[in-house]
Amino acid sequence: ETGVTQTPRHLVMGMTNKKSLKCEQHLGHNAMYWYKQSAKKPLELMFVYSLEERVENNSVPSRFSPECPNSSHLFLHLHTLQPEDSALYLCASSQDQAGGQDTQYFGPGTRLTVL
Amino acid sequence: TQLLEQSPQFLSIQEGENLTVYCNSSSVFSSLQWYRQEPGEGPVLLVTVVTGGEVKKLKRLTFQFGDARKDSSLHITAAQPGDTGLYLCAGNTGNQFYFGTGTSLTVIP
Repeated sequence: ETGVTQTPRHLVMGMTNKKSLKCEQHLGHNAMYWYKQSAKKPLELMFVYSLEERVENNSVPSRFSPECPNSSHLFLHLHTLQPEDSALYLCASSQDQAGGQDTQYFGPGTRLTVL
Repeated sequence: TQLLEQSPQFLSIQEGENLTVYCNSSSVFSSLQWYRQEPGEGPVLLVTVVTGGEVKKLKRLTFQFGDARKDSSLHITAAQPGDTGLYLCAGNTGNQFYFGTGTSLTVIP
């Protein structure tokens, strides 16, 4: 148990569906992250939030829409996805946004399959 | 280009053998983390090293941070099947995290 939870753990959706991934951290951290992990590829940083403000968006397609209503919760809203978006989506948190000797803690991930 | 390169990319060894995994960069990091990830799960933090030359031990795992804080190694003694997984290093430059390419380790009973 890392203090970061993600739901659902598994999700299968069609290309026309709309779904949301949820992440919650119980560590009192100020920064939260979304990563995409595809088979045999390095972790890809998608979004960074610090104190509920989006501070980074790494050229992610608009079919992915993040939301951070408070410092403990992070959502990733999905719509009209493509099969190549199938991957493990990981949420992480850290005390601050990579400040000093900060460390990230990860959730268990959501395995997404787009049909 | 990848800021952090890990080697080897894949490693398959017999139970009881020793191994070393490397994480190299030309950049300086204020801290470096090692994670282990099992299939379908998120990376689990093993250790954070912050001081150049620092050595940390976690049971049969020994982690070393390079003197210049640009590289790190993970040594496993007497590997066991439970050590199987993807080992990831991550460096913190002080304003951003970077992840390595990963080393996939399989320990055969």
